[in-house]
This record gives sequence, structure tokens and C-alpha cells, in this order.
Amino acid sequence: NAGVIQTPRHKVTGKGQEATLWCEPISGHSAVFWYRQTIVQGLEFLTYFRNQAPIDDSGMPKERFSAQMPNQSHSTLKIQSTQPQDSAVYLCASSLDLGGCAETLYFGSGTRLTVL
Amino acid sequence: GDQVEQSPSALSLHEGTDSALRCNFTTTMRSVQWFRQNSRGSLISLFYLASGTKENGRLKSAFDSKERRYSTLHIRDAQLEDSGTYFCAARGGGNNKLTFGQGTVLSVIP
Repeated sequence: NAGVIQTPRHKVTGKGQEATLWCEPISGHSAVFWYRQTIVQGLEFLTYFRNQAPIDDSGMPKERFSAQMPNQSHSTLKIQSTQPQDSAVYLCASSLDLGGCAETLYFGSGTRLTVL
Repeated sequence: GDQVEQSPSALSLHEGTDSALRCNFTTTMRSVQWFRQNSRGSLISLFYLASGTKENGRLKSAFDSKERRYSTLHIRDAQLEDSGTYFCAARGGGNNKLTFGQGTVLSVIP
């Protein structure tokens, strides 16, 4: 079990460019979560999928951010027209989402996005 | 929205001593999860609790089963490798997302 895999580990973009971040959840996990971590805001929830369907995107900025889960083995977070304030570590997590201990979230190592 | 207040924000411990971290919740929570973030940034799950206590080696966590408004993480006989940032995160009743505390930066010194 390789755990949650996130690529790339680091990404540097220029202001106004697009950034796509990738996440491969643990095999068999039905829930995928995206979080963002900054020094100022800490760990912030962005969005959540269950069985590939979007369930809660209440943390996603309304403009420029979108997330998809086209199949059970990967999810993407896309940021259009990146701005310096988008710089953060973006973390993906997955769980069995069956209730009880099966709610335990397992995190990937994150993608550090730097917008110049 | 749900709020998670974690304390202390930073803590220095001498090797071999004990201490406790605490998280208070502004509303009743369904479950809590404790993590340690290492120097590479990886969030490692330490405990998941829906009630009661769990213990793993020198770590022990408790979740208030009555009011469900706080959780603690006890560290016994602190070792240098315990250094890192500890986060608690909790789920409210209406959804499955985890709300994180601001973290405790723990430094264990010889």
C-alpha cells in the first residue's frame, strides 16, 4: 500500500498561469478530500468526493478553483489564473468513508504550490 | 461553522517528561482525529476516536464522551523523535469533513 500519492511535490507557476494538482487515493477508498495549508490560515477544507461524486465543495474559492474525480483512482485540483495568494501546500486525503474507524483520513505528502 | 481551538500553540518539553495537548470544540463533535506533521510536511494519523480513550505506546488520547466538546492527547516520557507539529481535527454531526485546530508545535529538548 503506497498510501495517498500526490504529484507533483513542488510546482512553481507565474502569476496568471494554470496549475493542475494530482491525487491518487489509497486503493479501495471511496472518499477523497482536498485541503490547503498555509502559515496564516492553517489547514483549510476545500472539497470532498464520495464514490467520485462531489459531496461538499463549501471550502472552494468560487472563482478559479475546480476539482474533479473522473475515476476512482485519481482526483485533480485545478487553479486557473493563479495568484500569489494561492501559494500553499495542497493536501489530498482519502478514507473508506464507512463510518466509525473507517472514517480515518490518510493524507498524502502534499503539493507545495508557489505562485511568483 | 464548527470551530476547533487547540492549546497550547507551542510547547517545549525536556526528554522524559509528560505533557498534554487539548482541543476544545465550539459545538458537539461526532469524532476526533489526532495527527503529527513531520519535518517533511506529512500528516501522520495518530488516533481516531468516536468516544472514550485509546493508547499507543507513550501516546494516549481521550474524547469526552458526554458533552463531546473536547479531546486531549497525552505524551508520556517524551523523546526527541516526538518533536513536530500536532493537530487535532474533528467532525461535526452534519457532514464528513474534518475541521482542524491551529496546531501545537512541540519541541523535545535533551
